[in-house]
Amino acid sequence: AQTVTQSQPEMSVQEAETVTLSCTYDTSESNYYLFWYKQPPSRQMILVIRQEAYKQQNATENRFSVNFQKAAKSFSLKISDSQLGDTAMYFCAFMKQGTGNQFYFGTGTSLTVIP
Amino acid sequence: DSGVTQTPKHLITATGQRVTLRCSPRSGDLSVYWYQQSLDQGLQFLIQYYNGEERAKGNILERFSAQQFPDLHSELNLSSLELGDSALYFCASSLGTSGIEQYFGPGTRLTVT
Repeated sequence: AQTVTQSQPEMSVQEAETVTLSCTYDTSESNYYLFWYKQPPSRQMILVIRQEAYKQQNATENRFSVNFQKAAKSFSLKISDSQLGDTAMYFCAFMKQGTGNQFYFGTGTSLTVIP
Repeated sequence: DSGVTQTPKHLITATGQRVTLRCSPRSGDLSVYWYQQSLDQGLQFLIQYYNGEERAKGNILERFSAQQFPDLHSELNLSSLELGDSALYFCASSLGTSGIEQYFGPGTRLTVT
């Protein structure tokens, strides 16, 4: 079975600073995707960024980037120039490919951006 | 607004009862996914339907069932409800089967008393 671990239940960052959220996962699969989802106080789940396991290049989306270390099974999210709207719960997720799509989520990291 | 709608927004019911949650996917999306978010279990994938057929199954209890109708809307049926079923239930949709780009609805908050 796959597991996703987020070891930082809560984090805070000053506005305009950079913060990194950690995620590790355990799998024996070779074909999979990794995701970061954001859940603001509105509770809406929003996809932040995704990474295909077969790609060595780290994914980036504007101020969001990942550090994907496949051998170490690590997938951290870096948020640059933090904004107040980044305050949210962030979930790391794993999806294996193949017969059916199974999703596994971490327990989340609550990020607060301080003005 | 993701384009995915869920009804009702809130539902309060008693133990032992049965409820139905409804989801309408974004226009053009053929896949629907159901998730449960609870304090105890965190976020869990329940089930995926694609164009009316079950595609993938996660941690869905036998007391729970789902279906996707010809118009592509989906319903999640929860029966013999227990206190532990209290949770936020999300529906998401995607165009294809891969699940790599899902759009989430606002969720249905279920409270079992």
